[in-house]
Amino acid sequence: EDQVTQSPEALRLQEGESSSLNCSYTVSGLRGLFWYRQDPGKGPEFLFTLYSAGEEKEKERLKATLTKKESFLHITAPKPEDSATYLCAVTQGGSEKLVFGKGTKLTVNP
Amino acid sequence: ETGVTQSPTHLIKTRGQQVTLRCSSQSGHNTVSWYQQALGQGPQFIFQYYREEENGRGNFPPRFSGLQFPNYSSELNVNALELDDSALYLCASSLGGGIDTGELFFGEGSRLTVL
Repeated sequence: EDQVTQSPEALRLQEGESSSLNCSYTVSGLRGLFWYRQDPGKGPEFLFTLYSAGEEKEKERLKATLTKKESFLHITAPKPEDSATYLCAVTQGGSEKLVFGKGTKLTVNP
Repeated sequence: ETGVTQSPTHLIKTRGQQVTLRCSSQSGHNTVSWYQQALGQGPQFIFQYYREEENGRGNFPPRFSGLQFPNYSSELNVNALELDDSALYLCASSLGGGIDTGELFFGEGSRLTVL
């Protein structure tokens, strides 16, 4: 069964303190790995899609990377507005569903 | 360009009742997916509709059913509600399935509480 495990469950950072979130996955025939951001009481907001090992995507203070078994979301010099739950999801060939992890709740203190 | 809108935003039901949740897709999108998100969990795939046909289903019992209309809006119906059905129900729209890009546009969800 496809599995997505995110760590840590929660992360508290000071403003400007860089860190990384991890997403480990087991899926046969990975079609894509996706990162979403979810604010409290809102639906997830799409951030990145990664398709193959070695691929990297960047957006403002966020950079996502992918290996054959895991993905990292690097946050450089975070700001309080980066506080949110970050969700990782995968999909495999022939399937129309995203399989999500439980998320990492990030809190950035000023 | 309008985003994905869901209604109602909150509702309370009792065990055994039935509920209908509604979703209006983002303009131009022909695919809608429904997800259930329990507290502290990631969203779980319920099913997807593409051009009014069910196009994939997750591990949910038949009492979860859906519809997509010609204007691509959608409904999620849940019969015989159970306590464990309490969750945030998310609708996501996309163009042509959206799975290849992973870029689903989610609404803000309908929070269902079953007492």
